[in-house]
This record gives sequence, structure tokens and C-alpha cells, in this order.
Amino acid sequence: QVQLQESGPGLVKPSQTLSLTCTVSGGSISSGSNTWSWIRQPAGKGLEWIGRIYSSGSANYNPSLESRVTISVDTSKNQFSLKLTSVTAADTAVYYCARDWATRNWFDTWGQGTLVTVSS
Amino acid sequence: QSALTQPASVSGSPGQSITISCTGTSSDVGGYNYVSWYQQHPGKAPKLMIYDVSNRPSGVSNRFSGSKSGNTASLTVSGLQAEDEADYYCSSYTSSNSVVFGGGTKLTVL
Repeated sequence: QVQLQESGPGLVKPSQTLSLTCTVSGGSISSGSNTWSWIRQPAGKGLEWIGRIYSSGSANYNPSLESRVTISVDTSKNQFSLKLTSVTAADTAVYYCARDWATRNWFDTWGQGTLVTVSS
Repeated sequence: QSALTQPASVSGSPGQSITISCTGTSSDVGGYNYVSWYQQHPGKAPKLMIYDVSNRPSGVSNRFSGSKSGNTASLTVSGLQAEDEADYYCSSYTSSNSVVFGGGTKLTVL
């Protein structure tokens, strides 16, 4: 079965760029019509969808974050990545990667999540 | 995009049923049958419980059911059990080709 694993720095300085990678195992990132999303959750708060990428490389983003977000895919490594620029303390959260099965706009497989703290 | 509206908390006794509402607009919940529900225990990743308004993934108890009327979707948990105590989130596809989540509901089993 497909498994997802987030990786990247746990601490980012304000105004810098947050970069995370999600490695997909147990299946190909290019299979079917799946899309791959990033979702975040500040401590004690709700979930926020950041955006998704298709295996073709096209992407959709949350309109509220679109100006700062880039999601990319590397099919040769079975990975997809998130870059969030100009971060502030408000970007401190647990970041999850997730699979949107057949682009049905629901998430059947999630990574365990990784905490990213924005602080100097 | 605005988060979908959920009650902050609901509670019920073991064996009882509870319903969690999720209110959006005609641009999200009311416009598409892409409403899903997630269960999240503390420190864990969310788990898909309902998709496409009322469908259960394999392995999810049939005590969980979903429905929708207009701009409001609902999750019902019947025969409450202690293990059902968790946070629950709804989500929906939107007319902006994006996904929006609800603010979350804490379910307490008394």
C-alpha cells in the first residue's frame, strides 16, 4: 500500500523559504489520475489545504496562499515538494502531505506530518 | 476562501448518536458532491471516514454515516464508543478548483 513521508528542516527563520519534500513509497506517483496535496495544521487549530500537484506537473493552490506557494513533482524520485516563501510565525504548523485518490478531492492516504517552526 | 462552519464541540454518552454539521455555500458544499469527513486523534494524522458525501472507505465502521442537504453536510456517529472521541473535520471541493476544510469539531464521549 502507498505510504507517504514528509522530510525537511524543522526550523525556518522569518522571511525565508520553507521547503519540504514528500516521498511516496509502495506505488508510483505517476499512476492513475491521483493528485498529491500539502495540508497544514497550526497547533490547536484546524486543517488548511495548501495546494496540489498532478503527475503532469500542473498545480492548484489555495487562493489565500497562492502568491507564496510552489508545489513541484519529481517523478524520477517519486517525490513532490512544497516551497513557501516569506514565512512568518503564522506559518508555524504541522505540514502533511496526502494523496487525493483519482482527483476526487478527498484524501485517503496521509503522511505522519512534520512540524515546521518559524522563528529566529 | 472561508473555512466551512462546524460546531466547536459535540458530546454524547456511549451508545447514543450524535450529528456534526458542516455549513458552506453554493460554491462548495452545496455545489458539489465532493464532501468528505476526517477523524483525527491527538498527535495523529487525519483519517478519511466519509467521501463523496455518504460513502465509507473500506474498514470504516458502518456506525459512521454522511449526508447533505443544500449547503450543509452532516456526519452522524451512532452507537458512540469511547474510541470515537476525536476531532472531526469536513472538507469540500470548491468552485475555485481548490479544497476547503471546516474548522473542526471536538467529539467528547461522556
